[in-house]
Amino acid sequence: AQTVTQSQPEMSVQEAETVTLSCTYDTSESDYYLFWYKQPPSRQMILVIRQEAYKQQNATENRFSVNFQKAAKSFSLKISDSQLGDAAMYFCAYRSALVNNDMRFGAGTRLTVKP
Amino acid sequence: DTGVSQDPRHKITKRGQNVTFRCDPISEHNRLYWYRQTLGQGPEFLTYFQNEAQLEKSRLLSDRFSAERPKGSFSTLEIQRTEQGDSAMYLCASSLSGGSYEQYFGPGTRLTVT
Repeated sequence: AQTVTQSQPEMSVQEAETVTLSCTYDTSESDYYLFWYKQPPSRQMILVIRQEAYKQQNATENRFSVNFQKAAKSFSLKISDSQLGDAAMYFCAYRSALVNNDMRFGAGTRLTVKP
Repeated sequence: DTGVSQDPRHKITKRGQNVTFRCDPISEHNRLYWYRQTLGQGPEFLTYFQNEAQLEKSRLLSDRFSAERPKGSFSTLEIQRTEQGDSAMYLCASSLSGGSYEQYFGPGTRLTVT
């Protein structure tokens, strides 16, 4: 079964600086999707960024980018120019492209942004 | 379209009572998912529907849990004979078919069993 591990329960960053959140996963599949979701306090989860495993190029969405290392099964999220509104729980998620389609989530990283 | 909605947002019940939650997905989405999230953890998959067909159920979904999506639109999740261990946030998400499509999440229903 696929598992997703986020080894940083909490992270902190100064406003306007850069922070990287780590995620590793375990799978025997070659075709899958990876996601980072953001869950602000008392608000619903929203997608930050997505990566298809067959793509070598790292995904980028404005201030958010990923470092996808397929061989190492690593999928980190970099947030540049951090803003106060970035404070939230961040979840890394894996989704098979072949079977089922449920997502497997990590335990999350709580990001604090200091003004 | 205002996104995925869930009702109620909060539910407090006594142990042994039955509860039912409702999820209204984004109208054009044919897939609907239920997840459970406990404090400090990521969401755990419970079950999902493709239109009105329930295609997969997690082993987390005991016999006390049942989900329906009768007309392929809204869905209900019922928990019978609630236990304190059922206390959690129950999240609903919807998407189009296909693994690359984003799942859109609702705000969740927080269940507290006393």
